Amino acid sequence: GAVVSQHPSWVICKSGTSVKIECRSLDFQATTMFWYRQFPKQSLMLMATSNEGSKATYEQGVEKDKFLINHASLTLSTLTVTSAHPEDSSFYICSAHSLGSSYEQYFGPGTRLTVT
Amino acid sequence: GENVEQHPSTLSVQEGDSAVIKCTYSDSASNYFPWYKQELGKGPQLIIDIRSNVGEKKDQRIAVTLNKTAKHFSLHITETQPEDSAVYFCAATGGAGGTSYGKLTFGQGTILTVHP
Repeated sequence: GAVVSQHPSWVICKSGTSVKIECRSLDFQATTMFWYRQFPKQSLMLMATSNEGSKATYEQGVEKDKFLINHASLTLSTLTVTSAHPEDSSFYICSAHSLGSSYEQYFGPGTRLTVT
Repeated sequence: GENVEQHPSTLSVQEGDSAVIKCTYSDSASNYFPWYKQELGKGPQLIIDIRSNVGEKKDQRIAVTLNKTAKHFSLHITETQPEDSAVYFCAATGGAGGTSYGKLTFGQGTILTVHP
């Protein structure tokens, strides 16, 4: 149980284009999903908190107009990187917090984004 | 906000030895402390967690201890195996409600290498 999937697992896009990453909770309902960014050999940095049916809460320094987050259902959240640039290349990971669970978060397998 | 420090950054042990990773946190209101294992190119996997009303928790070869007074918690892996080699992250959360609920603050990570 508690499986989170991400799609795509990796993506290469050209500078200036937009990329959408999906995060799905497969066997549970997720009231809250979190989006993280991880650079090579570094820790996970929280980008935003996504609650179903409401606007995402972004961490300080994260551009909400560049990283669009939508949490339209209890099993799906999407992150769209708009007008991507090479510096946006990173490993993006989502996690889901189960409805009815106290604190446990379950992480997706991550999406490797490379912007050329 | 919460700040989590993790040590050591790298740890090398022989198969069969024990490994200990330590973390300290700053927010005395934090009450949930998970540990994650991350293999190369994958998302973090929850391996064990502890809540602030418990001092120690064990699951087979893995144990976690928590000292609330000193604000530190540790991961103990006994009888290490080569497949334990990975990056381990500690995290803390629970210090605030509302939009901060469930937000994890991660330590810097420990690269554990178990030599056969």
